[in-house]
Amino acid sequence: AQSVTQLGSHVSVSEGALVLLRCNYSSSVPPYLFWYVQYPNQGLQLLLKYTSAATLVKGINGFEAEFKKSETSFHLTKPSAHMSDAAEYFCAVSVAFLGNTPLVFGKGTRLSVIA
Amino acid sequence: EAGVVQSPRYKIIEKKQPVAFWCNPISGHNTLYWYLQNLGQGPELLIRYENEEAVDDSQLPKDRFSAERLKGVDSTLKIQPAELGDSAVYLCASSPGRSSAETQYFGPGTRLLVL
Repeated sequence: AQSVTQLGSHVSVSEGALVLLRCNYSSSVPPYLFWYVQYPNQGLQLLLKYTSAATLVKGINGFEAEFKKSETSFHLTKPSAHMSDAAEYFCAVSVAFLGNTPLVFGKGTRLSVIA
Repeated sequence: EAGVVQSPRYKIIEKKQPVAFWCNPISGHNTLYWYLQNLGQGPELLIRYENEEAVDDSQLPKDRFSAERLKGVDSTLKIQPAELGDSAVYLCASSPGRSSAETQYFGPGTRLLVL
């Protein structure tokens, strides 16, 4: 079964600094990987996803992530943090094998942005 | 285009009482998901529908939880009787099709507090 580990339950950065949120996955077959963002009292919104095309994936709001098979990682980055980026970020994995498989989420990383 | 609609947004009940949550997915989305999100955790799938058929309900506690999607559009999730441990956010999501690569669109959730 696939799984996701998000390193760091809380990350704090200064406004304008680099954002790096870490995600490692475990899957016995090629995965699909997702990053979702959740603002307070809202549902999850897709930031970006990897579905076996380009390994560097660009998403909304200036975020991007790189799929590294050798490291089983899919870290999320943004060059310059903005106050509006403060939210909870979830990495998730599914696989293509045997049709539609469940989306398995990590525990999330809370991003705080300090002015 | 309207997003996924959920109601109520908040619900407070006493233990052993019944409770129901309603979800209306994005128009044309055939696949509907119910997730449970505990505090500080990522969402966990409870049940997945393809049209009116429940195709994955392996994580649904069937002794007290039930769900239906009678006409393949909106859906209701019920708990009877509720327990203290059921306090959580219940998220509904939908996607156009059944592929594991598809983006899931989430509603704002129903926050349940069981006293």
